[in-house]
Amino acid sequence: AQKVTQAQTEISVVEKEDVTLDCVYETRDTTYYLFWYKQPPSGELVFLIRRNSFDEQNEISGRYSWNFQKSTSSFNFTITASQVVDSAVYFCALSGIAGGTSYGKLTFGQGTILTVHP
Amino acid sequence: EAGVVQSPRYKIIEKKQPVAFWCNPISGHNTLYWYLQNLGQGPELLIRYENEEAVDDSQLPKDRFSAERLKGVDSTLKIQPAELGDSAVYLCASSLEDRGKQYFGPGTRLTVT
Repeated sequence: AQKVTQAQTEISVVEKEDVTLDCVYETRDTTYYLFWYKQPPSGELVFLIRRNSFDEQNEISGRYSWNFQKSTSSFNFTITASQVVDSAVYFCALSGIAGGTSYGKLTFGQGTILTVHP
Repeated sequence: EAGVVQSPRYKIIEKKQPVAFWCNPISGHNTLYWYLQNLGQGPELLIRYENEEAVDDSQLPKDRFSAERLKGVDSTLKIQPAELGDSAVYLCASSLEDRGKQYFGPGTRLTVT
């Protein structure tokens, strides 16, 4: 069975601070995808990133960066110089790759509520 | 490109009444998903379609929930009869079959009184 754990329920920061959202996962699949989604107050889940399990290169996109460490089953997300518009619920998720037992099924963590104060 | 469309956005019904949600996926996406999201929780998969075939409905409470995807495009999720515990957001998502990246609609917020 797959499991995603986001230990931080809520995080509150002041604008321009850096913030890291933690994600730890469990899976029996040897290959899988990891995702981060953002859910603003409007409710629609917005895709941020997908990472293949065989690609452990860290990725940076503007103020966002992701640190994938297969050895510790972690896929952490850092926002640099946070802004008020970053306030949202952030979900880490896991799914199998075609042919795997969990193909097509996204397993989400509980989410981390991020509040950025001006 | 139009995103995933869901309607209605909000629905309030009394318990024991039926309710239906509609989803139109992104054009060309042959995989469609229905998720349930309880307050303060991550979404949980209810059912996954590949074209018109339900390939994973293991989490769908079949005593009261049903879904269909006629012609492999639009989909409807129905609850009959609704219970108080069904109050939640119902999310629809779609993806290209082999890509894994799912695009979500805005969801339908159901309140059962």
